[in-house]
Amino acid sequence: EPEVTQTPSHQVTQMGQEVILRCVPISNHLYFYWYRQILGQKVEFLVSFYNNEISEKSEIFDDQFSVERPDGSNFTLKIRSTKLEDSAMYFCASRAGTGSVSPLHFGNGTRLTVT
Amino acid sequence: AQSVTQPDIHITVSEGASLELRCNYSYGATPYLFWYVQSPGQGLQLLLKYFSGDTLVQGIKGFEAEFKRSQSSFNLRKPSVHWSDAAEYFCAVGAVNTGTASKLTFGTGTRLQVTL
Repeated sequence: EPEVTQTPSHQVTQMGQEVILRCVPISNHLYFYWYRQILGQKVEFLVSFYNNEISEKSEIFDDQFSVERPDGSNFTLKIRSTKLEDSAMYFCASRAGTGSVSPLHFGNGTRLTVT
Repeated sequence: AQSVTQPDIHITVSEGASLELRCNYSYGATPYLFWYVQSPGQGLQLLLKYFSGDTLVQGIKGFEAEFKRSQSSFNLRKPSVHWSDAAEYFCAVGAVNTGTASKLTFGTGTRLQVTL
């Protein structure tokens, strides 16, 4: 069964550094998402992306964050200048179809640790 | 705004016992409802979903959930739990009538422990 793949599985970075989290969504999917889960807390929506632009973003997704689909397969989340509070598990997800009935398929996540 | 409440943070059941995980949602229209499971170090795997129609939905791994509009609930059940079911379970609600990308709102999760 096709999967959403995320790399790396664990990234450690120093505060103030830029980090790029990478995702390969399922190949025929059209909608792409980033969520994050701070340790012990709920999974939170960050951003959705469709037709090469952001569809919706949460208040968490400030100017430090950006997303890009640089080619036909990758979907990246960039954090420009990481803060300690950015430490979390980041999940990429994708969804097929043009309606809203298809479920999200999640990757295994990238654990980001900011020191 | 949509929201999800999972009142039980942690549940322990014996292997072979039945299980019910509670989920209540708040949403102004007909919601899309989901249950996801997260094993340690893993991503979120979809167990089942409700969009419309029959209010009792069957999922993978022997799980089922029942949508009760009058109670704004979508509780997850399994008649006989296996030790491998130990994981974190998340209920989520998605907007039906949005023209965008059906953002999901998650509950805080219920951690299931299974004793032998």
